[in-house]
Order: sequence, then structure tokens, then C-alpha cells
Amino acid sequence: QQQVKQSPQSLIVQKGGISIINCAYENTAFDYFPWYQQFPGKGPALLIAIRPDVSEKKEGRFTISFNKSAKQFSLHIMDSQPGDSATYFCAASSNTGGFKTIFGAGTRLFVKA
Amino acid sequence: DAGVIQSPRHEVTEMGQEVTLRCKPISGHNSLFWYRQTMMRGLELLIYFNNNVPIDDSGMPEDRFSAKMPNASFSTLKIQPSEPRDSAVYFCASSLSGTHQPQHFGDGTRLSIL
Repeated sequence: QQQVKQSPQSLIVQKGGISIINCAYENTAFDYFPWYQQFPGKGPALLIAIRPDVSEKKEGRFTISFNKSAKQFSLHIMDSQPGDSATYFCAASSNTGGFKTIFGAGTRLFVKA
Repeated sequence: DAGVIQSPRHEVTEMGQEVTLRCKPISGHNSLFWYRQTMMRGLELLIYFNNNVPIDDSGMPEDRFSAKMPNASFSTLKIQPSEPRDSAVYFCASSLSGTHQPQHFGDGTRLSIL
């Protein structure tokens, strides 16, 4: 019940295309959903985050779509660039039941030039 | 502004030795997190401090692992005795307050136990 399931495991997209990464959760106590970007040899860095009272949040080329009833959320990267090639993690946090932050397994994105 | 600072960046040691990982959070941040990243298990939260007090240590794998935060600017994660299965990248992160604020990660300590 504490898991966050992320797909796909890896993704290859042409430059200029749209990258889509999906996550699903089970625990309805989760109420904060961030996405992190990680480059090799570096720690994850926050990209964008959403709370369940909104269905979509956009920051530049990055958009989170959130479906509370389906317990799913996704990251869309518009106009994908080679510099976006990295590993992306979704996460879910709850302030109840143990103050957990649970990360998805990660998606390795490669954007072809 | 300096980010989260972790040391050492790399550590190679033999099984049975004590390992101490260090973290300096961002000044003004009240929450500190220790994570472990492996290929098999991904990114796992080990322990979470708020205002220097451990709030959730349910992710600490076993008694060989311990973490302390003696003051707002320093934390340690200790493994004693170390085992080969502890080999991983260990990250420290800090946030202004709690799990619902952006967590700022250090660059990690790559630990290899031979």
C-alpha cells in the first residue's frame, strides 16, 4: 500500500517530441507528489510538484497531470531536448502514518538529437 | 548559496569496518533526510529528522545502522559493522520543513564494502 509504481522503466524520444512518464499509488493518505530529475553522479533535483487539489500544473516545458480518482499522476515533457536525458523519479509524501516519502523506481529518459 | 554537502564522496572499505557518512544541510532548513540508492531497490528513505529530532526511522535496515543529528548543521549516518550488501549510494537531503517542501539533495556518498 506504500508503493509508488512508475512506468516505463526506460524511454527513448526524438528531439522535439513529448516524453510521458506515469506513476500510480494506492495509499490515499499521500498528499504531495513531486517529480525529481537525476543526472549521473548527482543527487536528484526537484523538477515540479503537485498537490491533489489541482488536476494539472505546468512549469515551462514540464507538466504534471493528476487524476485523484484513479490515483495516478504523470509527467509530460514537451519539446524534449537532449539535455533532458536523465533519470526521472516520481514520489509521494504523506504527513500521516509515518511521514513517509516514497519514490518510484525511476525512468531513464534518452532524447535523441 | 551552498547546497547540501556530503562527505566523503567515495568510500571503499572492508567488511566489518565502521563507516561514517557526513552531511551538512542547507542553512535554515529544519528537516533532514537520509536515503539509500541501489539498482535493485531504488531510492529508499532511511531516516527523517525534523528540528534535529528523528521523526521516522522505520527505513533503517537494521541495528547496524544509526543516525544522529547533534545540531542543525550536521548529521551522520553510521554503519557498524559494514557488510557487502550495504554497498550503495547514500544521499542526504534537506528541506525547509517536512516532507511537503522541496528536498534538496547532496551529490551522495558512493560506498563500496569489499
